[in-house]
Amino acid sequence: DAKTTQPNSMESNEEEPVHLPCNHSTISGTDYIHWYRQLPSQGPEYVIHGLTSNVNNRMASLAIAEDRKSSTLILHRATLRDAAVYYCILSFQGAQKLVFGQGTRLTINP
Amino acid sequence: EPEVTQTPSHQVTQMGQEVILRCVPISNHLYFYWYRQILGQKVEFLVSFYNNEISEKSEIFDDQFSVERPDGSNFTLKIRSTKLEDSAMYFCASNEQGIPYNSPLHFGNGTRLTVT
Repeated sequence: DAKTTQPNSMESNEEEPVHLPCNHSTISGTDYIHWYRQLPSQGPEYVIHGLTSNVNNRMASLAIAEDRKSSTLILHRATLRDAAVYYCILSFQGAQKLVFGQGTRLTINP
Repeated sequence: EPEVTQTPSHQVTQMGQEVILRCVPISNHLYFYWYRQILGQKVEFLVSFYNNEISEKSEIFDDQFSVERPDGSNFTLKIRSTKLEDSAMYFCASNEQGIPYNSPLHFGNGTRLTVT
């Protein structure tokens, strides 16, 4: 399975944008890039996913590099509620599961 | 918005006892999963389930574990003889389109299992 690399932790301020990076240099052409987050004492929560083009939804934006070897999850205006562990996960065609790594622990300062 | 519900939220059991963790997936979903997270560690895949069969299981999912869809709404994880190392948060998840290749998994908020 292709691997992802994320910083262990990041810190940002409330009401500012946050850019969470993910490297996936061994990504295959048909692998999807998923982002999930886990708030304290809760189950993982789907954030966004994409293949090649940048994606936007009500929670976040996903910017995918042209060579697909990296991606960035963008929270446009962080709130305290966005403090969580963010996971960047690749899924390959035919996969029966998602494999979680250690993720990035995001701290939001008031 | 529909959600995956898990009961109980916390279960305490003695080593060697059987436990059943219950989940009600989202009603039109057909694909179900169990994950676990030991305190301070990664979320780990246990098993995926579709059409009353296990689709894939991890090395963790040994003979002590079993899953069942006893009726049209519940999805259960049974641990036959619990060990101390089974203490963890257990998350149920469901998915509409099956393989989570390009569609979201919806997770419940978990059952905390404490084995004493």
